[in-house]
Amino acid sequence: NAGVTQTPKFRILKIGQSMTLQCTQDMNHNYMYWYRQDPGMGLKLIYYSVGAGITDKGEVPNGYNVSRSTTEDFPLRLELAAPSQTSVYFCATGWTGRYTEAFFGQGTRLTVV
Amino acid sequence: DQQVKQNSPSLSVQEGRISILNCDYTNSMFDYFLWYKKYPAEGPTFLISISSIKDKNEDGRFTVFLNKSAKHLSLHIVPSQPGDSAVYFCAASSAGGTSYGKLTFGQGTILTVHP
Repeated sequence: NAGVTQTPKFRILKIGQSMTLQCTQDMNHNYMYWYRQDPGMGLKLIYYSVGAGITDKGEVPNGYNVSRSTTEDFPLRLELAAPSQTSVYFCATGWTGRYTEAFFGQGTRLTVV
Repeated sequence: DQQVKQNSPSLSVQEGRISILNCDYTNSMFDYFLWYKKYPAEGPTFLISISSIKDKNEDGRFTVFLNKSAKHLSLHIVPSQPGDSAVYFCAASSAGGTSYGKLTFGQGTILTVHP
């Protein structure tokens, strides 16, 4: 089992460019999340999904969009990249339950210049 | 508004000694607490958790203590090993309702265990 797979691992974008961060999981978890981690800070929730076709905003959603057409995939879209979006992005999954921990991918390091 | 705080950015410990990492929270709705470990260039890895109905949970060398009245939790690692050197994140969640497993993280503490 691969768990949670993120691609790409690294990317440099120019201001105003767009890109999609890919996330796929083989754990059959209903819940999926996107977090970002800025230097010296904890992870902050961007968007989350509780199942295919259902998404909702987290703490820092501005400048991002998501979709969830299948259980396995949860891509994160940046439409107009800005330097403030330079960060490390983590996709995670969680199982449905009262007490659930998140399982994280290895991250995508994004630099916007 | 930082709802979960780890006030020590770093901690240095000798191999074999105890490491104690601390975490404070402000949101009374949190009732499930987790510790994650993170190595450079990797994603966070779940380490141990505790629900608010308990005040202690143990897993091998790792023990988490919860003091609900003080809104404080701590992670004890005994004995500490060089391989424990990593960033440790405290996280909190509301277990019920519409929380859907969403986590609020602290800033992290860099633990260095010296041989």
